[in-house]
Amino acid sequence: DGGITQSPKYLFRKEGQNVTLSCEQNLNHDAMYWYRQDPGQGLRLIYYSQIVNDFQKGDIAEGYSVSREKKESFPLTVTSAQKNPTAFYLCASSMPSGGTDTQYFGPGTRLTVL
Amino acid sequence: GESVGLHLPTLSVQEGDNSIINCAYSNSASDYFIWYKQESGKGPQFIIDIRSNMDKRQGQRVTVLLNKTVKHLSLQIAATQPGDSAVYFCAENWVGGGYNKLIFGAGTRLAVHP
Repeated sequence: DGGITQSPKYLFRKEGQNVTLSCEQNLNHDAMYWYRQDPGQGLRLIYYSQIVNDFQKGDIAEGYSVSREKKESFPLTVTSAQKNPTAFYLCASSMPSGGTDTQYFGPGTRLTVL
Repeated sequence: GESVGLHLPTLSVQEGDNSIINCAYSNSASDYFIWYKQESGKGPQFIIDIRSNMDKRQGQRVTVLLNKTVKHLSLQIAATQPGDSAVYFCAENWVGGGYNKLIFGAGTRLAVHP
């Protein structure tokens, strides 16, 4: 998990509620990412940020929002517009360099909608 | 779109044997590949990476082979141990559009039996 922390580890949400997942890194990485993982599947990119105060939509951004006000932090909000939010959410960070971009992952947050 | 996939969804091996996990990729423009290990309920952990200008790279008990001719990647684990039991993902670092994007396969589950 390196220097990437995610909280909480488990999160329960009632339908219609927004929830925010925390991701913090102390690796001094410029880039940060949010992925969603469903059982038996690979990771799908939700949002990414290459630098502070900038972020871009990934492949499945609908129903999610992010902010990047600090280099160390990249919180993800799962809004009520996300139709099927129950999943395992992974945050990653990287320092792109010389054509390589190894992403290092946090421990994940498991979100369950009740 | 282009994607990274895996030949074998589940691999069962005896403790002490060598394991080989395979991955096929379709984007010939990708120039960097990463293998991750994910244990149950945890975030993916970086194992080893390889650039496209290399055919082979070795780490501690692991070797990654890259065959660009047939767009094939493999991860070899020597003397497999019970602690190696996990899901293994290959990821393709696709560079384009001004950002780096990791494309993940669905993963191969490695089960090590005593």
